[in-house]
Formats: sequence, C-alpha cells, structure tokens
Amino acid sequence: EAQVTQNPRYLITVTGKKLTVTCSQNMNHEYMSWYRQDPGLGLRQIYYSMNVEVTDKGDVPEGYKVSRKEKRNFPLILESPSPNQTSLYFCASSYRWGSPLHFGNGTRLTVT
Amino acid sequence: QKEVEQDPGPLSVPEGAIVSLNCTYSNSAFQYFMWYRQYSRKGPELLMYTYSSGNKEDGRFTAQVDKSSKYISLFIRDSQPSDSATYLCAMSMVQGAQKLVFGQGTRLTINP
Repeated sequence: EAQVTQNPRYLITVTGKKLTVTCSQNMNHEYMSWYRQDPGLGLRQIYYSMNVEVTDKGDVPEGYKVSRKEKRNFPLILESPSPNQTSLYFCASSYRWGSPLHFGNGTRLTVT
Repeated sequence: QKEVEQDPGPLSVPEGAIVSLNCTYSNSAFQYFMWYRQYSRKGPELLMYTYSSGNKEDGRFTAQVDKSSKYISLFIRDSQPSDSATYLCAMSMVQGAQKLVFGQGTRLTINP
C-alpha cells in the first residue's frame, strides 16, 4: 500500500531533550516536506526537500533540522525542544514539486 | 493579512444538503488549487486538484476557481454524514517557493 509513515504518533517530552520524528514513504517520491498544524494558524511548512541531499527552509524553520540521506526517509529533528513546538506535525511527499501531496497520519508532540 | 483566508466554521448542515466551502486569496501568482479533506486524527487527503481557472467535477464534488476574483469554492452535493470532516483549501505557484499555502480549514458536520 502506498503510504507515508510517521513515527511516533504521540510523543510527550521535556524542554531541551533532543528528539527525532521519522518519516518514510514507499512511493519513490522526489519531494518531501514537513508541516506543523496549529489551531487558528492552519498548516505551515517547516522544511522541504526536492531530492536526496537537497533541503530548504519553509516558513517556520527555527528550532528544527532535517536531513535527506535517502530518497524514502526525511526525519525531523528537534535539537532542544521548547513548549512553543507543541503541535501536530505532518510529513508529506509527492512525485515531484507541483504534484499532489500525500500526507502521513501525523505526530502529536507535547513539550512540557 | 493572510495569503489565504478560509472561514473556520464550524458549519453544520442536514444530510442531503448542498454544501459550499470557500477560500479567498491575495497572491495572483497562485496557479494550482487544491482541496484536502482531513478526518479527525488523520492526515489531509487530496480531494480535488485544479490548474488555473474553471470548474472540475468528481462525483458529488465540484471545485470552482475564479482567478479574477481570487476566490475558490468546493461544492458537495447530496451531503452524507461520512462527509463530516475539516476541509482545507491549498494553493501554490508555478514558479517560486516550493510550498503549498493552506487555509485554516473549515470544520463541517453533516447531521443525519
């Protein structure tokens, strides 16, 4: 089944404790992206990647890192999480930029 | 002013009603227009995808784009309880920033 898989689905952590949210797609998509979804603000792009080893900042990149060493994986790294990063995070991929995005089922992160 | 404005609702209608969902936008460079449906605890899934102006129909769903007014709509005919979800409009440019800009989403409930 074609899908975007994120792990974990739920995560509660404390301020400053490094964490990684994994994202994997099995559709051989070139383009991958991370979004966060907050009430009243909608979905905002954090980082995106046009292909392996090619990443760039979205609208809200502060406090996040990404890497794209393999085509299928695009992990999101929070080196020192803070409470304002409490949010619902979505990974998405598409065949190439401009094609429809396929989303994962989200990771709900709480930072205390 | 947000690039994309969408009334967050909530919107509650009886089963069988015609539903109209709308977004306005400010950036005339947007060329791709999409509607996503998001069920609770799930990632957004693509419903409709259109390029430039005009109408597109898929079953009970019709998407309309009016670029002169910077206004897009999604119509749902013969609405069903299974249509209850949050509907997000999204749009992007042909060239420029490789991101989708989303509306806030409209929460829709169809009452049996």
